[in-house]
Amino acid sequence: DTGVSQDPRHKITKRGQNVTFRCDPISEHNRLYWYRQTLGQGPEFLTYFQNEAQLEKSRLLSDRFSAERPKGSFSTLEIQRTEQGDSAMYLCASSFYSKSSSNEQYFGPGTRLTVT
Amino acid sequence: LAKTTQPISMDSYEGQEVNITCSHNNIATNDYITWYQQFPSQGPRFIIQGYKTKVTNEVASLFIPADRKSSTLSLPRVSLSDTAVYYCLAGGNTNAGKSTFGDGTTLTVKP
Repeated sequence: DTGVSQDPRHKITKRGQNVTFRCDPISEHNRLYWYRQTLGQGPEFLTYFQNEAQLEKSRLLSDRFSAERPKGSFSTLEIQRTEQGDSAMYLCASSFYSKSSSNEQYFGPGTRLTVT
Repeated sequence: LAKTTQPISMDSYEGQEVNITCSHNNIATNDYITWYQQFPSQGPRFIIQGYKTKVTNEVASLFIPADRKSSTLSLPRVSLSDTAVYYCLAGGNTNAGKSTFGDGTTLTVKP
């Protein structure tokens, strides 16, 4: 397994357009997370899944954002009607969660979104 | 989730040992302390995690005093490639989805 992968790595879009990002986690990991990171700041939590269930969404996540993990494997993050303020790096991470595990998260390389 | 406080930046020279301290005064009983490293344009990378006392792996050591209100990441003999942002997180397994990274410590290693 080569780790967490994200596609695309870069996306430039015009304001008002919809965009979709994909994340493929490490295969045996049951948890998948989405974060957003802007320049000079740490990653901000957006949402996470355990298997196919979306367990939590940050209040930062407006109604224009939606995430899915339909079969408990890969996940997609869609942003509708993009705004310039959505420009950021979108990071995906996965982990193997159990009560006795350290639950360390493994991050992908990120998708850099630029909204013009 | 416990709030963490770290220095904004640190400078060091190649070959020196670097210690980055993180305070987490409101740490809960079931919270772990985890450190991540991030290079520009890459996702964070897990370095080390601990609950109490000392943990050591092939890249770092983590020192946690008995009261657990702070922790220190120790990087032995740093090289230029250790220049990165280092994040300290304090959280429990059940709060894994709420990982709050803060702004981290930018470590610059000079030749």
